[in-house]
Amino acid sequence: QTVVTQEPSFSVSPGGTVTLTCGLSSGSVSTSYYPSWYQQTPGQAPRTLIYTTNTRSSGVPDRFSGSILGNKAALTITGAQADDESDYYCVLYMGGGIWVFGGGTKLTVL
Amino acid sequence: QVQLVESGGGVVQPGRSLRLTCAASGFTFSNYDMHWVRQAPGKGLEWVAVISYDGSNKYYADSVKGPFTISRDNSKNTLYLQMSSLRGEDTAVYYCAKAMTTVTSSLGYWGQGTLVTVSS
Repeated sequence: QTVVTQEPSFSVSPGGTVTLTCGLSSGSVSTSYYPSWYQQTPGQAPRTLIYTTNTRSSGVPDRFSGSILGNKAALTITGAQADDESDYYCVLYMGGGIWVFGGGTKLTVL
Repeated sequence: QVQLVESGGGVVQPGRSLRLTCAASGFTFSNYDMHWVRQAPGKGLEWVAVISYDGSNKYYADSVKGPFTISRDNSKNTLYLQMSSLRGEDTAVYYCAKAMTTVTSSLGYWGQGTLVTVSS
């Protein structure tokens, strides 16, 4: 069974840029996987940041961007702020109606 | 604005059944695919199931295929998740989520979740 992979943790300095990735244990991620990205803080519901690779959800600042980098989907945060400190999840469409989330990345801003 | 309100969670004994409900408002419910996603305590998100806008297609994660059934009533703007043969591993916050657009099934707007605890 294919696993969706994410970095378990990442750290960025305030004002810095960070790129989180979303890959596959076997194969490459393309736009055909409709990668989406979600932000979640403890005790809160997830918030959609990016869908279909690079479309920002309404109200999401343009310092969040999505792309395909090499064989992975990527979420780039430019000008990181303290309140970006959250868990970030990607999800991929595997075909046949099935979606699979990655294990999430815990982002620390310090 | 889009509102999704889950209900029906609680404490249930192993092997019993439970039905979750997601009441939708603020959009034309019958035009959008709908998902259920769960999150076990301290763990990541797990996609559970999706149902097409008209209820004609339903897909499930392998972990719930069989015991769980997703359904919808477009006349009541309501999504359901019928869970049977519940196990401790099903303990989680269950979220319903609306597809982002009528064209893509990508998960978009989320409810606040309802907690299901499977315990004797």
